[in-house]
Amino acid sequence: AQRVTQPEKLLSVFKGAPVELKCNYSYSGSPELFWYVQYSRQRLQLLLRHISRESIKGFTADLNKGETSFHLKKPFAQEEDSAMYYCALTTGGGNKLTFGTGTQLKVEL
Amino acid sequence: EPEVTQTPSHQVTQMGQEVILRCVPISNHLYFYWYRQILGQKVEFLVSFYNNEISEKSEIFDDQFSVERPDGSNFTLKIRSTKLEDSAMYFCASSITRYDVQYFGPGTRLTVT
Repeated sequence: AQRVTQPEKLLSVFKGAPVELKCNYSYSGSPELFWYVQYSRQRLQLLLRHISRESIKGFTADLNKGETSFHLKKPFAQEEDSAMYYCALTTGGGNKLTFGTGTQLKVEL
Repeated sequence: EPEVTQTPSHQVTQMGQEVILRCVPISNHLYFYWYRQILGQKVEFLVSFYNNEISEKSEIFDDQFSVERPDGSNFTLKIRSTKLEDSAMYFCASSITRYDVQYFGPGTRLTVT
C-alpha cells in the first residue's frame, strides 16, 4: 500500500530564509505527487503537482524517483507562507489522494 | 470563482444517531469525494463517486456509511449510527475528471457525544 511521510510536524524559519518541507513516499509504481496547503481558517487548496512543473508563490518541488521524495522548497520565506502543508499522492491513474500528516510552517519576523 | 460548499460547518450528535453531511460540488464537476481528518491525524480518503455509483471506497467506509447524490447539486454522506470515533472533520471534494485537481470544501466538524 502507498504511504506518504512528512517527518516534521512543525518547521519554524525566519522571514527571508530558505524553506524546505520534506516529503517521502512509498509506492512501487509511478505515483502522481501533490502539495496541498491550508492557510489559517481556510480550506485545503492545491499548491502544486509534479506533472505541472510549475512554480507557485515561489514554491517548487521536484520528484526524485531514486530517493522517492517530493520536497517542497522556497528560496526566501514570506510571512504569508505560514500555513499547514500536506504532501499527497495518487497512484495508477486513480484519484484517491493519500496524504501525509502535514507540516506546520511558521515564518517568523 | 466557484467553490465546493459544505453544510453544516459544525454538527454535534449523540452516539447512535444518524447524521447527514451535505456538500454542493462545483457545478461542472463529475467526480465527488469524501475525506475525513480525525483531530491530530492525517486526512484519510473515504469514498469516491461517479455517475451515481461508488467508484472506490476505503476500509473505513463500512456499512455504517453511505453516499448519495439525491438531486443535481447535492452530494451527501450519511452515517447511520454514529460512534464516538466518528468525531472528525469531514471534507468533500470534487473534480472535473478523475485525473484533474480535486477542489476541497471547507469541511464539517462532526462531534459525537
